[in-house]
Amino acid sequence: NAGVTQTPKFQVLKTGQSMTLQCAQDMNHNSMYWYRQDPGMGLRLIYYSASEGTTDKGEVPNGYNVSRLNKREFSLRLESAAPSQTSVYFCASSEPGQGYEQYFGPGTRLTVT
Amino acid sequence: GESVGLHLPTLSVQEGDNSIINCAYSNSASDYFIWYKQESGKGPQFIIDIRSNMDKRQGQRVTVLLNKTVKHLSLQIAATQPGDSAVYFCAENIRGSNYKLTFGKGTLLTVNP
Repeated sequence: NAGVTQTPKFQVLKTGQSMTLQCAQDMNHNSMYWYRQDPGMGLRLIYYSASEGTTDKGEVPNGYNVSRLNKREFSLRLESAAPSQTSVYFCASSEPGQGYEQYFGPGTRLTVT
Repeated sequence: GESVGLHLPTLSVQEGDNSIINCAYSNSASDYFIWYKQESGKGPQFIIDIRSNMDKRQGQRVTVLLNKTVKHLSLQIAATQPGDSAVYFCAENIRGSNYKLTFGKGTLLTVNP
């Protein structure tokens, strides 16, 4: 079991460029999440998917879009990157039927210049 | 502002001492709490959880205490080891929020040999 995997690990973008962060989980979880983590701050929820076929906005959704491709995969897209989106992005998954615990991937460190 | 917060941003202890990390919350509808550990360059990792109908829960070298009267929880680490050095986050689930977690800002624990 790999758990939650994320690609890429690092990325540098110029302002205005677009990119997609990939996330996959092999635990057969129904729910998946995207967070961003900025220095001195906790994790802030960008978008989540309670189940395959559904997505909902979190606390900081502006500038992002998501796609729940199937039960395993949940991608995060930046259509026009801005320096304010420089952050570490974490994907997580959980199975509500088993409790509230979320399992996190290793993160993607994104820098927008 | 954030519902979940921490009293101290940093904590430095000697190896072998006990560590106590504190967290305050403000939402009376919070019904579940998790402590996560995040090592440098990694994603958060589950440590221990507690439901709001409990006051105390113990794990291996860790204990979580919940005081609902003052809306406060703490994580106690016994015989702290260098490998315990990390950022610790508390997170809460608010009843009816569809299993979403709200994270605090985190406490950096440094263990001195």
